[in-house]
Amino acid sequence: EPEVTQTPSHQVTQMGQEVILRCVPISNHLYFYWYRQILGQKVEFLVSFYNNEISEKSEIFDDQFSVERPDGSNFTLKIRSTKLEDSAMYFCASSGHYDNQPQHFGDGTRLSIL
Amino acid sequence: KQEVTQIPAALSVPEGENLVLNCSFTDSAIYNLQWFRQDPGKGLTSLLLIQSSQREQTSGRLNASLDKSSGRSTLYIAASQPGDSATYLCAAKRREYGNKLVFGAGTILRVKS
Repeated sequence: EPEVTQTPSHQVTQMGQEVILRCVPISNHLYFYWYRQILGQKVEFLVSFYNNEISEKSEIFDDQFSVERPDGSNFTLKIRSTKLEDSAMYFCASSGHYDNQPQHFGDGTRLSIL
Repeated sequence: KQEVTQIPAALSVPEGENLVLNCSFTDSAIYNLQWFRQDPGKGLTSLLLIQSSQREQTSGRLNASLDKSSGRSTLYIAASQPGDSATYLCAAKRREYGNKLVFGAGTILRVKS
């Protein structure tokens, strides 16, 4: 069964450094998302991406965050200058042609900011 | 603003028992509701998706129902097994352009053998 893949599984970075989290969505999907889950808290929406542009973003997704689909397969989340509070599990998700289809999630990248 | 609540926060049952997990949402204008399973340190596995026009969906031993008017969904697990032990999350989506999901905090299920 097709799946969403994320790399790396764990990223450790010094505060202030830039990180790029990578995702390969399911190949025929058109909607892409990033969510995060701080330890012990709910999964929170960050951003959705459709037709090569951001369709919605949360208040968490400020100027230090950006997303990109650099080619036909990858979808990336960049955090420009990381803060301690960015430590979380980051999940990529994708869904199919229509907005009434389920979102499928990857296994996540655990980001630890030191 | 949509708020999603799940009760109970944790549940421990003996193997073979039928059980019900509850999810409530404050905004009844949902487009659909999705149930997930999360194993420790892992991603979210989609279990069932119920559209707003549907009352229930079934997959194997799982049955999810939706009552928009009361703002509730339930996940019924029949004949529970130790392998069902995980955190179960529900997430609601409004019909809006971004398609974001709003998640509950989850129910931690432990099925004892």
